[in-house]
Amino acid sequence: EDQVTQSPEALRLQEGESSSLNCSYTVSGLRGLFWYRQDPGKGPEFLFTLYSAGEEKEKERLKATLTKKESFLHITAPKPEDSATYLCAVREGNNRLAFGKGNQVVVIP
Amino acid sequence: NAGVTQTPKFQVLKTGQSMTLQCAQDMNHNSMYWYRQDPGMGLRLIYYSASEGTTDKGEVPNGYNVSRLNKREFSLRLESAAPSQTSVYFCASSESRDEQYFGPGTRLTVT
Repeated sequence: EDQVTQSPEALRLQEGESSSLNCSYTVSGLRGLFWYRQDPGKGPEFLFTLYSAGEEKEKERLKATLTKKESFLHITAPKPEDSATYLCAVREGNNRLAFGKGNQVVVIP
Repeated sequence: NAGVTQTPKFQVLKTGQSMTLQCAQDMNHNSMYWYRQDPGMGLRLIYYSASEGTTDKGEVPNGYNVSRLNKREFSLRLESAAPSQTSVYFCASSESRDEQYFGPGTRLTVT
């Protein structure tokens, strides 16, 4: 059973059209939820860490939020350079991360 | 400050050949990790090293071995490559319980 499920798998947005990505998790006793951005042919790039329900973090047009069962990555007024795959991961024991399969976002000019 | 570096960037192997993927980090991190990424599967942990001198199996360790050479370097070895090991391999490092930082990846094809 997957511990981390991301939806939608793929999303096409018009430039300026705000949207949200979902990451739901089943691990008990969350020790940290992480968001990464991955561009084609490159390694994942760290964006945010969230630890407790109600926590929010922002960076430019991205805002991550956390509840007891899921996290959202809100993209406000996206630009073409926000096109990427966004990965969500939760920390298990021993510092291991369990990753979801990603949300592929394409922003059309 | 290069972060996490990986060599080689690309590699093609024949079935049964062996090779070692190299990873180094200059952030003085204690923990290092090896992942593979396959289409539709997400990132899966192969092996990790919580600190210098220790290594542990991850989710998909079969067919791989690792060596934590020192605090900076963590290598991944394929003793007898198989087509199922065709993948993109990422190395990462972290300071214990903090976020992980990834290298640029090695694209491996086994024919």
